[in-house]
Amino acid sequence: DAGITQSPRHKVTETGTPVTLRCHQTENHRYMYWYRQDPGHGLRLIHYSYGVKDTDKGEVSDGYSVSRSKTEDFLLTLESATSSQTSVYFCAISDPTRGETEAFFGQGTRLTVV
Amino acid sequence: KNEVEQSPQNLTAQEGEFITINCSYSVGISALHWLQQHPGGGIVSLFMLSSGKKKHGRLIATINIQEKHSSLHITASHPRDSAVYICAVGYSGTYKYIFGTGTRLKVLA
Repeated sequence: DAGITQSPRHKVTETGTPVTLRCHQTENHRYMYWYRQDPGHGLRLIHYSYGVKDTDKGEVSDGYSVSRSKTEDFLLTLESATSSQTSVYFCAISDPTRGETEAFFGQGTRLTVV
Repeated sequence: KNEVEQSPQNLTAQEGEFITINCSYSVGISALHWLQQHPGGGIVSLFMLSSGKKKHGRLIATINIQEKHSSLHITASHPRDSAVYICAVGYSGTYKYIFGTGTRLKVLA
């Protein structure tokens, strides 16, 4: 298995509170991604990073921010959680610069906003 | 905009049956991935292919670039194959992926 760890694995939080999810990799892959998975939808890209301090928005970025201060860690922050952000969040990594376009996924974080 | 469609959405099979899951996409791609997700579990990459056919154990993946279509076949299916199978396409220049909504497979003993 690729070395990707997401934390926490499960979280319940109240509406309006800030939440930070962490993705940690040991593969030294350049690209890191945050997706959310909801019933009836394919995985949807929230934000991605193509290097330290280099990030860009995905298709569902409203209400989320990210940071990548070192290669290994990619943080996803919900500044003020809303019930619509209840979802399962997946982190992924890839490194097309090595000639590999295969993506590897973390185990997911189930977030419930009440 | 590239759309990815999978069929069927749900599939129930008896143990030992040959299974086919289909994926169609609308725009030319650089690579297509087949992923597996067990209930409550993480996502595992099964195959990445850009042409032809790949085989791993009882799993076979094919892609037809001209028809913009890929299939995932499972031979001699087993209850442990029960999972959601997801098709994802990537295209050059963006390093992003577009995902299908998945096919939920249940194999009965």
